[in-house]
Amino acid sequence: NAGVTQTPKFQVLKTGQSMTLQCAQDMNHNSMYWYRQDPGMGLRLIYYSASEGTTDKGEVPNGYNVSRLNKREFSLRLESAAPSQTSVYFCASSEWTVNSPLHFGNGTRLTVT
Amino acid sequence: AQSVTQLDSQVPVFEEAPVELRCNYSSSVSVYLFWYVQYPNQGLQLLLKYLSGSTLVKGINGFEAEFNKSQTSFHLRKPSVHISDTAEYFCAVSDSGSARQLTFGSGTQLTVLP
Repeated sequence: NAGVTQTPKFQVLKTGQSMTLQCAQDMNHNSMYWYRQDPGMGLRLIYYSASEGTTDKGEVPNGYNVSRLNKREFSLRLESAAPSQTSVYFCASSEWTVNSPLHFGNGTRLTVT
Repeated sequence: AQSVTQLDSQVPVFEEAPVELRCNYSSSVSVYLFWYVQYPNQGLQLLLKYLSGSTLVKGINGFEAEFNKSQTSFHLRKPSVHISDTAEYFCAVSDSGSARQLTFGSGTQLTVLP
């Protein structure tokens, strides 16, 4: 049972380059999320998708775009990477209630030089 | 919006000793409280949660936490830790019914020493 799968695991970009982080879940969850994790700051929500066909901004959306391709897949795009976007990115999925825990992928470690 | 404070960024403890990881949140009428654990190079996984009812909540791997409304705290405890408990622990709070409004603390790195 794969759960939440993220690709790639590691990526190095130069300032101004673009890339897409991929996420897929096989638990038939309605809701999906993108977080970034920075030292001493916990996890901060970038974007979320409450259900297929909808997306909305979280706490730190600037510089990012998302696509909910179907119920399984939720991608995060950096159009023009900046050093401030160096971080570990986590995708998660859940049902749309607080009773349902978040299920996380193993993360993508992104470095922007 | 909620805020969450994890007072200790690093907690070293010897194997088989007890441990308490502290979490305080900003006041609200009703809250939902969670502890997540992150092992090295992995995503977070749920350790335990408080939604309502008994203020003492038991989770996986022998951990438990107590909800204290008057002190706005949700401290995590384990009576005897193992090397395998070495990980980062995150407290998270929501004051609504939606997972979208979950606020995470900055994390506590628990290191269990032999």
